[in-house]
Amino acid sequence: SQQGEEDPQALSIQEGENATMNCSYKTSINNLQWYRQNSGRGLVHLILIRSNEREKHSGRLRVTLDTSKKSSSLLITASRAADTASYFCATDVYGNKLVFGAGTILRVKS
Amino acid sequence: DTGVSQDPRHKITKRGQNVTFRCDPISEHNRLYWYRQTLGQGPEFLTYFQNEAQLEKSRLLSDRFSAERPKGSFSTLEIQRTEQGDSAMYLCASSSNSLRELFFGEGSRLTVL
Repeated sequence: SQQGEEDPQALSIQEGENATMNCSYKTSINNLQWYRQNSGRGLVHLILIRSNEREKHSGRLRVTLDTSKKSSSLLITASRAADTASYFCATDVYGNKLVFGAGTILRVKS
Repeated sequence: DTGVSQDPRHKITKRGQNVTFRCDPISEHNRLYWYRQTLGQGPEFLTYFQNEAQLEKSRLLSDRFSAERPKGSFSTLEIQRTEQGDSAMYLCASSSNSLRELFFGEGSRLTVL
């Protein structure tokens, strides 16, 4: 079973707009990570946020974590056509593996 | 190239045949993971190794599946008597001990006819 659930399942925006994806999970975590996957390719790590952190930035990415609500959000600012991909949240529960959600498909139209 | 490599990238087989996938992790990484991903879904954990020891196996991993990591280097995932439901992308990833980040290979896509 999958720990995280992303919302929305799919998102279509214009280039230059911001994209926000949400992730909810069920159990306490050590950290939460976001990954990106281009069609038919492997996943690429984007950012990690620890359970004692509330917000983290990396370039055009901003991640928030609310452990009381067991949720996280990924914001991509000033999106580009090259950001078109699937985005997954993954939770580290016991420190030995990551459990992935079903993902959000992002399409950025140029 | 020091990334995770997987072979073959694509495999088409007939139902009932055996298939084997190979993964070469990043050389200094102790942990190696296998995940399975079907269309429209996120990766599902199958198993992981710490060096040569297989420390956890998912209930998804039926007795037709076996994974090895001899000498703690490359790993193989074998599926015996394949079924159409085995059609998926099989992803390998490696990490250091801290699990800060998984480095994924490009995956091995299996199609069972």
